[in-house]
Amino acid sequence: DGGITQSPKYLFRKEGQNVTLSCEQNLNHDAMYWYRQDPGQGLRLIYYSQIVNDFQKGDIAEGYSVSREKKESFPLTVTSAQKNPTAFYLCASSNRGYYNEQFFGPGTRLTVL
Amino acid sequence: GENVEQHPSTLSVQEGDSAVIKCTYSDSASNYFPWYKQELGKRPQLIIDIRSNVGEKKDQRIAVTLNKTAKHFSLHITETQPEDSAVYFCAASLSGGYNKLIFGAGTRLAVHP
Repeated sequence: DGGITQSPKYLFRKEGQNVTLSCEQNLNHDAMYWYRQDPGQGLRLIYYSQIVNDFQKGDIAEGYSVSREKKESFPLTVTSAQKNPTAFYLCASSNRGYYNEQFFGPGTRLTVL
Repeated sequence: GENVEQHPSTLSVQEGDSAVIKCTYSDSASNYFPWYKQELGKRPQLIIDIRSNVGEKKDQRIAVTLNKTAKHFSLHITETQPEDSAVYFCAASLSGGYNKLIFGAGTRLAVHP
């Protein structure tokens, strides 16, 4: 199960606050991804990055921001502009290119109070 | 936009029976189709994948079939066991995608002893 970690496991936020979710990997993967998981909706891509200092919006990027300053790290900030942020957030990493398995972290459950 | 439809959303079988989960994708350029298993409270993990130049792939009790003409692929689990109980997600790669995946909504499989 090692290789990609997320923290914290649970996070509570008040409305109007920004929060940052951590994702770290030691698999030497170039590509990293953030997904949101809601009941009955599968995994939806928020942002992805193929290389350091580069990232692209996924299908549901509004209200989220990311940075990729180091190969090992891909933090996700959930801003106050995200209307319904309560969800389970999964980070993943893979080698670049096609046919490469994405390895997932254990996830962070964010609850907005 | 592109999507992946997955059926059924829930599936209940008796131990020893077979289980089949079906997915249909819309992007005709998709060429990589992984299946992930997510046990309760855990991260998704790859169980099998197939590339577009292959029609079928087996790994012990699990197999995946791909029909590119019809744009659908299926997961087959034989001799099911209680530990197969989990949520299963299919996914399809997106064209130009740098290993971007689009996921189905998931199938909750329950195997009863």
